[in-house]
Amino acid sequence: QVTLRESGPALVKPTQTLTLTCTFSGFSLSTSEMCVTWIRQPPGKALEWLARIDWDDDKFYSTSLKTRLTISKDTSKNQVVLTMTNMDPVDTATYYCARILLYRSRWYIVDYWGQGTLVTVSS
Amino acid sequence: DIQMTQSPSSLSASVGDRVTITCRASQSITTYLNWYQQKAGKAPNLLIYGASSLQSGVPSRFSGSGSGTDFTLTITSLQPEDFATYYCQQSYSSLFTFGPGTKVDI
Repeated sequence: QVTLRESGPALVKPTQTLTLTCTFSGFSLSTSEMCVTWIRQPPGKALEWLARIDWDDDKFYSTSLKTRLTISKDTSKNQVVLTMTNMDPVDTATYYCARILLYRSRWYIVDYWGQGTLVTVSS
Repeated sequence: DIQMTQSPSSLSASVGDRVTITCRASQSITTYLNWYQQKAGKAPNLLIYGASSLQSGVPSRFSGSGSGTDFTLTITSLQPEDFATYYCQQSYSSLFTFGPGTKVDI
């Protein structure tokens, strides 16, 4: 059974750095064709893809946010960490981590999601 | 980056209706297009991958079609549990992008 759970602060101040941890079970990020991604959703708005880390440690970032994001993995702990620097009130959102499966070596599908964690940026 | 658009942004429908949602990519993504359903307060759920392949466990009233830049999600005979927001997402580029969503309500 695949599960993912996001953890981190519910409230951060402007200019601070946000650190979110995704703890997962039911799969290993050392297994080929497994990836973990972060996606966020401001209240009442659309999904926004942020970053992805693959089984081979390849990393990909949203063009608009890449200067602020860092994604890393700890395979032994089954964790993926996302840091976002210089937080602003517009970054207030629910942050989701999710598993990506490279299905049949062709299709990247986001097949399991965490429940999400709401992060509010306010002084 | 590849930009995704959807139309309409919202629609009203009734139980039993046939619903069609369109997604367009800013460049060809062949068939690297996924569809997700999101209900209020919940994480999204994968419906369709590869533009037309039904994810396991998803009812057959959902179907997808298209290739290149233009794609369609169709729900035949809308059910009460289908009232939700639907998002398309491209995986042609390593930098994934989502569409802005289509809200389906009564």
